[in-house]
Amino acid sequence: VQVVQSGGGSVQPGGSLRLACAASGFTVSSKYMTWVRQAPGKGLEWISVIHNDGSTYYADSVKGRFTISRDNSKNTVYLQLNRLGLDDTAVYYCACLYCDNWGQGTLVTVSS
Amino acid sequence: QAVVTQEPSLTVSPGGTVTLTCGSSTGAVTSGHYPYWFQQKPGQVPRTLIFDISNKPSWTPARFSGSLLGDKAALTLSGARPDDEAEYYCLLSYSGAWPVFGGGTKLTVL
Repeated sequence: VQVVQSGGGSVQPGGSLRLACAASGFTVSSKYMTWVRQAPGKGLEWISVIHNDGSTYYADSVKGRFTISRDNSKNTVYLQLNRLGLDDTAVYYCACLYCDNWGQGTLVTVSS
Repeated sequence: QAVVTQEPSLTVSPGGTVTLTCGSSTGAVTSGHYPYWFQQKPGQVPRTLIFDISNKPSWTPARFSGSLLGDKAALTLSGARPDDEAEYYCLLSYSGAWPVFGGGTKLTVL
């Protein structure tokens, strides 16, 4: 079982990024897949989830700017990050929380 | 948005027992909050210790247990080891809103 993340990097304020979370050993469409982030030196923040039925939920801090989705054929979950601000700088983790299957994390840096 | 509260720091002696708690600004923590506990060591990815109050992924050592204690969720560590030194986070779910993490408890084994 493995979760491999990709897609982080540096972006200017107002910019966009897409994070990917590719799973092996389990099927993402049968799980609740969650995105959590951690700003430098700070605690964990729950930001989004996609349920096995495809329903999606967001924290208010990202609602309307971030979009979670999945591609069942690729067994991959995505997080589209738009209108990024300085306080979106964080390590972003993808996980099936109750499975204890976590990605390695990907750093998103928003800086001018 | 609800606020989830944890002790900022706790210290336990090797071999000792310690209980970390997780409270909610909305009132008593119940099974409907589906409490989770996570362990994170410096520079590492978090790991899920406990889900739905007291259920454990296969890796969780038996010395960790979850419960509801009074009006809070609780994580009890019995027989602490130096390797248990870490930051511990709880997560509570809220009907009609998004789940919220607590601020974390830094556990020192000393």
